[in-house]
Amino acid sequence: NAGVTQTPKFQVLKTGQSMTLQCAQDMNHNSMYWYRQDPGMGLRLIYYSASEGTTDKGEVPNGYNVSRLNKREFSLRLESAAPSQTSVYFCASSEAGQPRGYGYTFGSGTRLTVV
Amino acid sequence: GDSVTQMEGPVTLSEEAFLTINCTYTATGYPSLFWYVQYPGEGLQLLLKATKADDKGSNKGFEATYRKETTSFHLEKGSVQVSDSAVYFCALRVYGGSQGNLIFGKGTKLSVKP
Repeated sequence: NAGVTQTPKFQVLKTGQSMTLQCAQDMNHNSMYWYRQDPGMGLRLIYYSASEGTTDKGEVPNGYNVSRLNKREFSLRLESAAPSQTSVYFCASSEAGQPRGYGYTFGSGTRLTVV
Repeated sequence: GDSVTQMEGPVTLSEEAFLTINCTYTATGYPSLFWYVQYPGEGLQLLLKATKADDKGSNKGFEATYRKETTSFHLEKGSVQVSDSAVYFCALRVYGGSQGNLIFGKGTKLSVKP
């Protein structure tokens, strides 16, 4: 029962390099999310995909792009990494709407350092 | 808009002490409420939840009661253990809204000393 799988777990990039963070879920969820977590800032939503074929900006989308490849996979791309993007990135998935009380399932995170 | 405010940490307690982490919310609809826990180096895990007023969520000795009149969902545990050291996030979700996304508080770090 894998849940939400993120790769890689750790990454160091140089300023200006690009990379893609991968996320896959095996729970047949419709909705998927990308968050970043910074000290004292809690979790901030970068992008989300309410259903296959749709993506929307969250609170902090600048510098990122996403692709909902299929129902299982949702990737996050940094085209030109900046030190301000040093963070821990979490992917999550959920069933949309009903039933009440349905929360999110999170991956274990990708720790990204941009030097 | 919808928001969650939780007490700032860090909170440091001795083992077997009583824990309260305050959480209040503002919501445009009728939210479900959640507490998530993040252990060091891991992702967030659902700890407990409540879906309507006066519901009590409980798990692993933790409890929280949905108080609509005070818009609160405070987390409590009668006797904490070292293994409870983690960051705790309060969250709400309003279903049927524009997107029904989870809204998180900023988290409260708990350290329990032996």
